Amino acid sequence: SQQGEEDPQALSIQEGENATMNCSYKTSINNLQWYRQNSGRGLVHLILIRSNEREKHSGRLRVTLDTSKKSSSLLITASRAADTASYFCVTGANSKLTFGKGITLSVRP
Amino acid sequence: EPEVTQTPSHQVTQMGQEVILRCVPISNHLYFYWYRQILGQKVEFLVSFYNNEISEKSEIFDDQFSVERPDGSNFTLKIRSTKLEDSAMYFCASRGLKGYTEAFFGQGTRLTVV
Repeated sequence: SQQGEEDPQALSIQEGENATMNCSYKTSINNLQWYRQNSGRGLVHLILIRSNEREKHSGRLRVTLDTSKKSSSLLITASRAADTASYFCVTGANSKLTFGKGITLSVRP
Repeated sequence: EPEVTQTPSHQVTQMGQEVILRCVPISNHLYFYWYRQILGQKVEFLVSFYNNEISEKSEIFDDQFSVERPDGSNFTLKIRSTKLEDSAMYFCASRGLKGYTEAFFGQGTRLTVV
C-alpha cells in the first residue's frame, strides 16, 4: 500500500509558533498531497509536491519531500488559531488516492 | 473558483432504504471519486470513475453500492438497503488531467441511518 502515515498523531502549540507534521509512505510515488479538514467539514487541498521536487512553498506552508527516505513534512509557520484542524498526507495514482490517519493540530490563542 | 458541489448536505434515512448522494464535479475534470469517513475515523476510499466506468474500487464498495454519471455533469453514489454502519460523511472528489494534478473535494454529505 502507498498509504501515508503521519506523525505525531496530535500536536498542540501556541499561536505564533511553527507546526511541523511528518508523513511516511511505503512505495514509490508520483506526487504527494496535503489536505486540511476542519472539524466535521470538507477536505481542503493545501499543496501538491511532485516526486522530482524537494521543497515547495505556498504562503505560510512549506512542504518537503525526501523520496530516498519515503517521507514528507508540512511546516506551518506563524500558526494561527484558525489553523486548528486535522491534516492528512495523501498519496496514490490516478485511480486511487490514499489518506493517512491524519494529525490533529490544535493552536492555542 | 470552480468547486465540487454535493447535495444534500445532510440526509437521514431509515435502515433498509435506498439513498442517492449527488455530486457535481468540476467541469472538464476526468477522474471522479467517492470516499467516506465514519465519525472519528480515517478517510476511506470507496471507488474511482474514469472514462464512464469504474476504475478502481475498495472492498467496502460491494454490491450494495453503485455509481453513475448519468448526464455528463452529475456523479451519483447509490447505496441500496442502508445499514446503521453506513452512517458516515461521504465525500465526492474530482481530478483533472492524468498525472500530477490535485484532487478537489466537495463539502460532503452526512448520511445518518436510523
